[in-house]
Amino acid sequence: SQQGEEDPQALSIQEGENATMNCSYKTSINNLQWYRQNSGRGLVHLILIRSNEREKHSGRLRVTLDTSKKSSSLLITASRAADTASYFCATEPYNTNAGKSTFGDGTTLTVKP
Amino acid sequence: DGGITQSPKYLFRKEGQNVTLSCEQNLNHDAMYWYRQDPGQGLRLIYYSQIVNDFQKGDIAEGYSVSREKKESFPLTVTSAQKNPTAFYLCASSPGTSSGNTIYFGEGSWLTVV
Repeated sequence: SQQGEEDPQALSIQEGENATMNCSYKTSINNLQWYRQNSGRGLVHLILIRSNEREKHSGRLRVTLDTSKKSSSLLITASRAADTASYFCATEPYNTNAGKSTFGDGTTLTVKP
Repeated sequence: DGGITQSPKYLFRKEGQNVTLSCEQNLNHDAMYWYRQDPGQGLRLIYYSQIVNDFQKGDIAEGYSVSREKKESFPLTVTSAQKNPTAFYLCASSPGTSSGNTIYFGEGSWLTVV
């Protein structure tokens, strides 16, 4: 059963612009992770945010978590053509473990040079 | 190099055949996973294993089987009972399954029914 849902499904921006994608979920979570997938490749872990955290940064990535709204956002600043990929959120339901994490359907980001 | 190796990258299956996808990891991870990804969609969990000789069904286990005889290896067999097997299959591993473990992925295998 999938819990996380990303929005928008697709996003197209110019190089240098910021990209924001969102993830909403239905039930309480232990943590939420964001992954990136280049076309036809495996997923690569980007960042983890725990339920007691509100914001985390990693390089050009900024992730926020609002547990009251059951939503998270991933911001990529100063985007580059190489950021073109699909981005997925994975939610670990409350009081479970990593084996129970579920993935959304992803946001496909296209960054035009 | 440390990582997860899936083979083959592309596999064609005739209807009624069983096929096995290989997954090997040298990360010394206890947990391993198999996911299925259909075009434009997210990942769905087929099976996962927390430790050698143990595995549990995920959300879409019907028509699939696995084994975990060695820590490094977690092969997936797609049986003839799986009626719509054409998809992208991803193997993954994590140090354990405790909360917050990052899941590491292989490069995937494409399976097509011909």
